[in-house]
Amino acid sequence: AQSVSQHNHHVILSEAASLELGCNYSYGGTVNLFWYVQYPGQHLQLLLKYFSGDPLVKGIKGFEAEFIKSKFSFNLRKPSVQWSDTAEYFCAVTAKYSGGGADGLTFGKGTHLIIQP
Amino acid sequence: GAGVSQSPSNKVTEKGKDVELRCDPISGHTALYWYRQSLGQGLEFLIYFQGNSAPDKSGLPSDRFSAERTGGSVSTLTIQRTQQEDSAVYLCASSLTLTSETQYFGPGTRLLVL
Repeated sequence: AQSVSQHNHHVILSEAASLELGCNYSYGGTVNLFWYVQYPGQHLQLLLKYFSGDPLVKGIKGFEAEFIKSKFSFNLRKPSVQWSDTAEYFCAVTAKYSGGGADGLTFGKGTHLIIQP
Repeated sequence: GAGVSQSPSNKVTEKGKDVELRCDPISGHTALYWYRQSLGQGLEFLIYFQGNSAPDKSGLPSDRFSAERTGGSVSTLTIQRTQQEDSAVYLCASSLTLTSETQYFGPGTRLLVL
């Protein structure tokens, strides 16, 4: 079974600061990786995903993430955060089965990001 | 519809009562998933459907939980004899197919068991 670890539970930054949220996963096989965001009062939305190919993926709202296979990591970055980025961020993984089919997402515990104006 | 919808949005029930939670996936999505989000456990995967079939029910927390999907569309999650520890937000998601596809989430049903 997979597991996901997010390093920081709470992060507080000022506007225009750079952001990096850590995510490590544990699984012996091939995976698909995701970052989801949950803004206050809203439902989970996909920020970005990695299935294969270029390990540096770009998502919505200026976010990007880099998959480093050797480190089992998929860290989320943004060069300059805005007040509107205040939200809960979840890293998630699914196992990629060669015969097709998949499992549910395994989520990390989430990182609560607060951006101070 | 445009997105995944769930009903009710909020449900308050008494301990020992049964509840039914409903999920309408995005039209044309064959795969459907149920998750639970609680303060103590975070986001937990419960069960998925490919069409009307749920191959693996091991993620359901107890035998009081059951889920079904009919017509390859709407799904219901039923919790019998609710307990206070069942209080959580129950999320539904759907994807176009089961194979490594992006899941789109609904707004959730917030369940409070008194």
